Amino acid sequence: DAGVIQSPRHEVTEMGQEVTLRCKPISGHDYLFWYRQTMMRGLELLIYFNNNVPIDDSGMPEDRFSAKMPNASFSTLKIQPSEPRDSAVYFCASSLGGSGNYGYTFGSGTRLTVV
Amino acid sequence: AQSVTQLDSHVSVSEGTPVLLRCNYSSSYSPSLFWYVQHPNKGLQLLLKYTSAATLVKGINGFEAEFKKSETSFHLTKPSAHMSDAAEYFCVVGNFGNEKLTFGTGTRLTIIP
Repeated sequence: DAGVIQSPRHEVTEMGQEVTLRCKPISGHDYLFWYRQTMMRGLELLIYFNNNVPIDDSGMPEDRFSAKMPNASFSTLKIQPSEPRDSAVYFCASSLGGSGNYGYTFGSGTRLTVV
Repeated sequence: AQSVTQLDSHVSVSEGTPVLLRCNYSSSYSPSLFWYVQHPNKGLQLLLKYTSAATLVKGINGFEAEFKKSETSFHLTKPSAHMSDAAEYFCVVGNFGNEKLTFGTGTRLTIIP
């Protein structure tokens, strides 16, 4: 199994531009999570999906952020327009069933820099 | 409700000496507990997990953790530190059937040569 795959690994963009981060979860996992990690705020849960349906998006910082999961093997996190304060490492994670029993498998992350 | 507290934000040990990273948890139900490790510029990797089986859990790279219900603790230990252990370690709590895990704030482990 290739694990959770995120792309791109690094993204540098100018303020105001649209950014799209991509994630392919582990096949068969029914939960998908998007996290953001910064030095100041640590690891923050942004949104998670169950069977492609968004369950909790209370962590999405503002309307500039949106996430979709059109099918079981693909999810996107979009920021439009991007701002310098969005600079962070964004992680995608997937899990099977109740995460309390199995934990999450994380991707390698996308390091976003907005200049 | 569930929460986790990592008692040390930074731990430094000399190579070859024992490692102890402390974690206390709070949970309304029988908890599942995890330790994750994050090496610089890498993703989070599962080190070990406790899910109501044996209270002493062995993980990868020689790490282990002991679940102590009376102390609500799940401390991570390793008998002898190696330079490659330098990383950020996260203690995590969940409940069986609950899809959301709660992460601690992390402990940065530094290994002194």
